[in-house]
Amino acid sequence: DAGITQSPRHKVTETGTPVTLRCHQTENHRYMYWYRQDPGHGLRLIHYSYGVKDTDKGEVSDGYSVSRSKTEDFLLTLESATSSQTSVYFCAITPDIVQAQYFGPGTRLLVL
Amino acid sequence: GDSVTQMEGPVTLSEEAFLTINCTYTATGYPSLFWYVQYPGEGLQLLLKATKADDKGSNKGFEATYRKETTSFHLEKGSVQVSDSAVYFCALSELGGSQGNLIFGKGTKLSVKP
Repeated sequence: DAGITQSPRHKVTETGTPVTLRCHQTENHRYMYWYRQDPGHGLRLIHYSYGVKDTDKGEVSDGYSVSRSKTEDFLLTLESATSSQTSVYFCAITPDIVQAQYFGPGTRLLVL
Repeated sequence: GDSVTQMEGPVTLSEEAFLTINCTYTATGYPSLFWYVQYPGEGLQLLLKATKADDKGSNKGFEATYRKETTSFHLEKGSVQVSDSAVYFCALSELGGSQGNLIFGKGTKLSVKP
């Protein structure tokens, strides 16, 4: 299995608070992605990174920001959490865009 | 834009039955195609992939063939087991636009009864 971890694995927070999720990899892969998974929607891309300090928006980026200061870490921040951001968040990595992505175990976030 | 459509679930089968989960796609260019599996409470695991037309991906008894003429990538297994119960996602790699983003189908839940 690819060396990819996510923290925290579970989090409960209140509306309006900032939340940061961390994705950490030990594979030295260039590309990293944040997805959210919701019933009836499959997985949807939030943001992605194609190198240190190189990031871009995905399909559902509103209300989220990301940072990547080191190859191994990709942070997802909810600036002011809303109930609509209750979801399961997955990080994925790949060395090359034509190859498969490898997923972390996920973070289950509940916004009350 | 690119999209993936897979059959609605849930699918319930008896052990040793034949499995087909249909997947069709719309894409510009020639994407790579993937099947991922998600067991309860876990992340997605790559099951198999195909990178060009007529390629057959296979793993753990599952197979899928990249059919360009029908834009399909159907997942098959000859004899399912209870341990195959999971949600299966078909996906394609979007080579234009977001770099290497995966476009997913909505998933098909498979339940295998003993």
